[in-house]
This record gives sequence, C-alpha cells and structure tokens, in this order.
Amino acid sequence: QQQVKQSPQSLIVQKGGISIINCAYENTAFDYFPWYQQFPGKGPALLIAIRPDVSEKKEGRFTISFNKSAKQFSLHIMDSQPGDSATYFCAASNGNQFYFGTGTSLTVIP
Amino acid sequence: DSGVTQTPKHLITATGQRVTLRCSPRSGDLSVYWYQQSLDQGLQFLIHYYNGEERAKGNILERFSAQQFPDLHSELNLSSLELGDSALYFCASSVQGSGANVLTFGAGSRLTVL
Repeated sequence: QQQVKQSPQSLIVQKGGISIINCAYENTAFDYFPWYQQFPGKGPALLIAIRPDVSEKKEGRFTISFNKSAKQFSLHIMDSQPGDSATYFCAASNGNQFYFGTGTSLTVIP
Repeated sequence: DSGVTQTPKHLITATGQRVTLRCSPRSGDLSVYWYQQSLDQGLQFLIHYYNGEERAKGNILERFSAQQFPDLHSELNLSSLELGDSALYFCASSVQGSGANVLTFGAGSRLTVL
C-alpha cells in the first residue's frame, strides 16, 4: 500500500517553463512534508519542506503548495533549468517514519 | 559527500545467500533509517533506529533484519536472498528521532542477486 501517491511519473519541460509535481496522502497523522531531489548515482537530498499549518512555502524557484483539506501537496519549479533535471520525491512523515512517493523523473530541455 | 557512508557500493551475490550492508551516519546524528529503492516501487521505508533502539518498522521482510550499534553505525542483514531483492539500499541519518527531521542520505548500496 503506497502511503504517498505521486504524479506524474515523468515530466519533460522546456527551459524557462514551470514544472509541477503532485502528491496525495491519506494518513492525517502526517505532519511534515518534505521534497527530495535525487541526481543519478547519488542519494536523495532535501530540497524544501512544509508543515501543514501553512498553505505555501517558497524557496527561490521552488514552491510547495499544500492543501490540508484535500490531503494534497505539490512542488512547483519556476523558470526550470537543465540543471534541475533529476528525480523528485515527495514524502510524508509522522516523525518516526518517512514515506516517499514513487518519484518523478524531470527532464528540462535546453 | 553527504557525510553518510555506506558500504559496499556494489554487491553481486546468488539466490539463497546472505549479505550485510553497513551504514555510518553523519557525525552527531543519532537516527538511522533504511530504505529500499527499486524502479517500480520508489523508496520503500524499511526500518528506523534512534540511538540504538528500534523506533519504527516499515515494509521490512522477515528475512531482513537490522541493528544499530553503540557507536551508532547500523547494519542491514538480508538473508535467503531472492531475485526480487535486487535493488538499491539507502541509509539515511538525522539528528533527532522524531519531528521535522532532515534526512541525509548516503550514496546507496546496489545489490544484485543472480
């Protein structure tokens, strides 16, 4: 049973465009929602995270939008760059356990 | 370099065998998490240890076991290996055992079962 559902599986965006990745969860005990970025041959690394008491968090070109009532959250990458090409994982945590989505492979075309 | 060290980087073995994967957490981190990454399942949570004690278990098979030692390094033991156990195994560490933890991942151990 997948605790966090992520879509799309893959995404191709032109340089300068907006990349949007969506995630949904069911367990209302989750209280922390990070996004991780993974480059080939590397482990995932924290990109940005949000708590459910805010609806949006922005760090540079990366923004998390959070909808608590819908139990959904999304990552928006503005002005996407070729260097953003990577696999992105959303996650949800209740503190002791971190559950990850299945990942989105993003390709930004120059 | 994330500061989390995983060994070995690559491992090829046969079905029915047993292997041990090792993880040294980042200096100062007390928590260790183990994940299995396969192409179709993403990152599957296996188990979490905090300061030597098991904190949470995920989808860890009975053939798998783990422990965290007094020096905080952790080992994941995989036995009676099957073809389907072929995957990338990640270890992550964090300072805390709960809350809004930042997980720092190692580079992974790639296991191939033939």
